[in-house]
Amino acid sequence: DIQMTQSPSSLSASVGDRVTITCRASQSITYFLNWYQQKPGKAPKLLIYGASSLQSGVPSRFSGSGSGTDFTLTISSLQPEDFATYYCQQSYSPPLFTFGPGTKVDVK
Amino acid sequence: EVQLVESGGGLAQPGGSMRLTCAASGFSFETFEMIWVRQAPGGGLEWVSYISSRSGTIHYADSVKGRFTISRDNAKNSLYLEMNSLRAEDTGIYYCARVHTIAVSPVDYWGQGTLVAVSS
Repeated sequence: DIQMTQSPSSLSASVGDRVTITCRASQSITYFLNWYQQKPGKAPKLLIYGASSLQSGVPSRFSGSGSGTDFTLTISSLQPEDFATYYCQQSYSPPLFTFGPGTKVDVK
Repeated sequence: EVQLVESGGGLAQPGGSMRLTCAASGFSFETFEMIWVRQAPGGGLEWVSYISSRSGTIHYADSVKGRFTISRDNAKNSLYLEMNSLRAEDTGIYYCARVHTIAVSPVDYWGQGTLVAVSS
């Protein structure tokens, strides 16, 4: 089975900061990588699919890149509503929808 | 508007059973693959089970294989998760979610979740 890792596990940032989160797969998943945001007490929300495609309605400050085994989620200018936990998920080998362990972004 | 509403959660004893239901609306339920995902208290997301649009393909995470059964009734726009031999480690919020039909299969809609607590 494909394993997913994320780094860092948590980070502290300020409003306006550029934030980068990394996700790595244990084997190549080409571009079958999706990113989700989850706020406390809420269901996850799809942000990015296919490594770099922005889900409808998601602000353009969010972007994704990468292919193969290494991927990045970038928030160009962190906003107050962006403090949350972010998960990557591989969909290369469905139906095994493996998630990464998450990266918590909190206030510096 | 796409809506997924879970129900059936609650408190169960170790070794007990519980059936979760997910009522879907606002889309053609019969054309979408569906999954269950759970989240332990303070933990991350764990995929639990998958079912194809016509129930022809079903898969489970190793942690629930042999104990949980996923099913759906397309006539009732409903997804189910039958959970048997429950363990303390099954405690968490259970989400039903829709798999988008595009090639990269993102999970594009989620329910609000239902809490399952397994404790004596």
